[in-house]
Amino acid sequence: RKEVEQDPGPFNVPEGATVAFNCTYSNSASQSFFWYRQDCRKEPKLLMSVYSSGNEDGRFTAQLNRASQYISLLIRDSKLSDSATYLCVVIAIMNYGGSQGNLIFGKGTKLSVKP
Amino acid sequence: DGGITQSPKYLFRKEGQNVTLSCEQNLNHDAMYWYRQDPGQGLRLIYYSQIVNDFQKGDIAEGYSVSREKKESFPLTVTSAQKNPTAFYLCASSTPFQGVAGELFFGEGSRLTVL
Repeated sequence: RKEVEQDPGPFNVPEGATVAFNCTYSNSASQSFFWYRQDCRKEPKLLMSVYSSGNEDGRFTAQLNRASQYISLLIRDSKLSDSATYLCVVIAIMNYGGSQGNLIFGKGTKLSVKP
Repeated sequence: DGGITQSPKYLFRKEGQNVTLSCEQNLNHDAMYWYRQDPGQGLRLIYYSQIVNDFQKGDIAEGYSVSREKKESFPLTVTSAQKNPTAFYLCASSTPFQGVAGELFFGEGSRLTVL
């Protein structure tokens, strides 16, 4: 099983649709989780952190399910500008009490929002 | 404005030549990283540095070299020993190491093409 897995897509959705992505991780010691957004031929940028209690930022909601070892990203009322690749990032802490971790990127899920 | 600057943005190289990619940050971050991204692939870690004058190999270090003589700078040399150097190279920084509590900040990337 790969350490961090994402459905590559593409997810083709109409404007206004709600779309959800999942990201599964294999290391149960994983502690920190993030969603990054990467536009075509650009650098990744942090979209949002994922907390145990969930995290909502406008139209975006991120959730963590530790029991099933996955995180999710929900986008409501999709806009054309949401078209991008969404990368899942998982960090497993190697040294408790320290800051050293093992950071792994998923390969990303491509979203295309159509008019 | 604080950030990470990579140069050059585009680079063409003949086979057998070494090239050096520049990465400078003014975010006062201790940790810096180099990633490689190929089409349809996730980010793969080449080298990372937690502190000045120290660096460690990542998952795909063969054919690459780095130095960290200054906190602000982390240049990557792609040597002629790298078998498939054509790729998108991304430099990033964070504090603390691997962004356990924070995020990775990326430069805009350098696109290397070997002719």
